[in-house]
Amino acid sequence: EAGVTQFPSHSVIEKGQTVTLRCDPISGHDNLYWYRRVMGKEIKFLLHFVKESKQDESGMPNNRFLAERTGGTYSTLKVQPAELEDSGVYFCASSQDPAVGRGLYNEQFFGPGTRLTVL
Amino acid sequence: GENVEQHPSTLSVQEGDSAVIKCTYSDSASNYFPWYKQELGKGPQLIIDIRSNVGEKKDQRIAVTLNKTAKHFSLHITETQPEDSAVYFCAAPFTGGGNKLTFGTGTQLKVEL
Repeated sequence: EAGVTQFPSHSVIEKGQTVTLRCDPISGHDNLYWYRRVMGKEIKFLLHFVKESKQDESGMPNNRFLAERTGGTYSTLKVQPAELEDSGVYFCASSQDPAVGRGLYNEQFFGPGTRLTVL
Repeated sequence: GENVEQHPSTLSVQEGDSAVIKCTYSDSASNYFPWYKQELGKGPQLIIDIRSNVGEKKDQRIAVTLNKTAKHFSLHITETQPEDSAVYFCAAPFTGGGNKLTFGTGTQLKVEL
């Protein structure tokens, strides 16, 4: 079974440009998450989709970030316009079954990440 | 929200020795604590997790202990091997529900020959 895939693996852009990251979750996983790790710091939650709906986008830094998951399959994360502080590794993860309350946790499978460098 | 602190940030051990990584969390209601291993060029991969109804869980050379009173949990790797070299992250559920995780800052483990 294929794992979570992300594209591109690396992206180097200049400040003010636009970048779109793509994530293909494991087939059949309704839950899709985006996380980001800024150099040397913790992996921080950005947002959570259940199928095509945004369940929680409380971690999105600002309105320069736009995530979509049309059709409930793959997801894209667009940064427009990019700023220097957006540099980091963006991870996508997916899990089975919708989260139910706080008592049920399913393993999140992570993709290899996209390393974004904004110059 | 949940706050997770992880120590040490780097850890170097000799092959065959044990390694211990410690994490503390802030939300006393948290009840699920996964550990992830990230190898170079790859994404984090779950290696073991523990739920709050047990104090210890073991899987071959790795074990996790949980102290709910003190709100800390630890990863123990015994008989370390070079392939254990990686970045390890602890995590806890984000306060407020859902399946999202709050991660520690990571521990770079290096196992030296």
